[in-house]
Amino acid sequence: AQRVTQPEKLLSVFKGAPVELKCNYSYSGSPELFWYVQYSRQRLQLLLRHISRESIKGFTADLNKGETSFHLKKPFAQEEDSAMYYCALIQGAQKLVFGQGTRLTINP
Amino acid sequence: NAGVMQNPRHLVRRRGQEARLRCSPMKGHSHVYWYRQLPEEGLKFMVYLQKENIIDESGMPKERFSAEFPKEGPSILRIQQVVRGDSAAYFCASSPNGVEYGYTFGSGTRLTVV
Repeated sequence: AQRVTQPEKLLSVFKGAPVELKCNYSYSGSPELFWYVQYSRQRLQLLLRHISRESIKGFTADLNKGETSFHLKKPFAQEEDSAMYYCALIQGAQKLVFGQGTRLTINP
Repeated sequence: NAGVMQNPRHLVRRRGQEARLRCSPMKGHSHVYWYRQLPEEGLKFMVYLQKENIIDESGMPKERFSAEFPKEGPSILRIQQVVRGDSAAYFCASSPNGVEYGYTFGSGTRLTVV
């Protein structure tokens, strides 16, 4: 079965430090992966998607098929990056399978 | 464009009552999805609908839960005879043409069963 694992429920880093939020998946075939972000009291928003290879708000994510990972990275964390982050993959034609999420806190 | 609108934001029901959760998709979006988030868990797929059709309800509990997306009006997720275990955040999402480019999510409805 397809599964997304985010091993860290909580992650705390200092402002200006690099950030890496881990995401591992199990999927047979070529996965389509996403990162979603939920800032405090706001709705879940699409941060970036694997297929477009974009960089949003300084975040990037590279698909590593050998390690079945899609880690989210940012070289210099900012306080406004504090949020809940979810990794997800497409299952079948229309569903998203989500990880449990990682709460990122950026300390001043 | 007001985005995906869900109401109510918070809903409190006593055990045995019915809960109705509403979702108005973004303008131009004909695909609607419902997800549930139990405490300390990620979002879990429940059902995927297009206008007047349930396309995939593989994530819906077999009993007490139903969903519809009528020709006119919002999509409705209905939970009959609620139990404490139904307490969760219910999120609706919409897309114009499927999931490939991601969904747009609503703010969710937090259901509390007392």
